[in-house]
Amino acid sequence: DAGVIQSPRHEVTEMGQEVTLRCKPISGHDYLFWYRQTMMRGLELLIYFNNNVPIDDSGMPEDRFSAKMPNASFSTLKIQPSEPRDSAVYFCASSLKSSNTQYFGPGTRLTVL
Amino acid sequence: EDKVVQSPLSLVVHEGDTVTLNCSYEVTNFRSLLWYKQEKKAPTFLFMLTSSGIEKKSGRLSSILDKKELSSILNITATQTGDSAIYLCAPPQGGSEKLVFGKGTKLTVNP
Repeated sequence: DAGVIQSPRHEVTEMGQEVTLRCKPISGHDYLFWYRQTMMRGLELLIYFNNNVPIDDSGMPEDRFSAKMPNASFSTLKIQPSEPRDSAVYFCASSLKSSNTQYFGPGTRLTVL
Repeated sequence: EDKVVQSPLSLVVHEGDTVTLNCSYEVTNFRSLLWYKQEKKAPTFLFMLTSSGIEKKSGRLSSILDKKELSSILNITATQTGDSAIYLCAPPQGGSEKLVFGKGTKLTVNP
C-alpha cells in the first residue's frame, strides 16, 4: 500500500516566486496535516483538514500561505510570494480518526534564495 | 497551554549501550501518546500508548506510559548505529486531532 506521497521532493526558488507543494494522503484516511520543520523551531503544524474541510489553520504563519483540499486524495500548500525565511522541510501527514496515528510523507525541502 | 518536554535533548552512546529517553507532557483530556523516530527524512511511527503500565515492545525498542506521572519512556537496548536518529514524542491535543510534538531527543550511536 502506498504511503503519503509528496511532490516535489526538492524545490529551489527565488524570493517573490509562487511555490506550490502537493500531497496525496493514504487512501481512506480522513485527516490530512501540513507541517513545517526547521532547526530553530522544530516540527510545527500549519493546518489540518478533516474530510477535505480545514479544521484548524492557526499555525499558518501569514496570508502568504494558503492550503486547499479539493478532494479526498489531493491537497496543496501554496506560498505566494515566497521569502527566504520560508526555507524549511514541509511535511504532509494523514491519519484515520479512529487511530490518532499520523503517517508522514517524505517531505519537500524548500529553499528560497 | 499543552506542552511536551523531552530529555535529554541530545545523547551520545556506544554501540551495545542501553538508553532511556524521557517524555513529560501536559495536555488536557489526555487520550494517548505517540513515539516517532526521525532519521534524515520523515518521522516514522514507533508506538502509540494509551494505558499506564502496559509496555509496548518492538524488537530492541520498548515504551511505557505513566499517567500518574504524566510521562513516558522509550528504551532501546543493545543500541546499533542505525538507531541514530531524533526521537519525538507527541500526545494529541485535548479535543483535537493535532499532535503536540516535543523538541525531540537526538541520539547518536557510535561504533
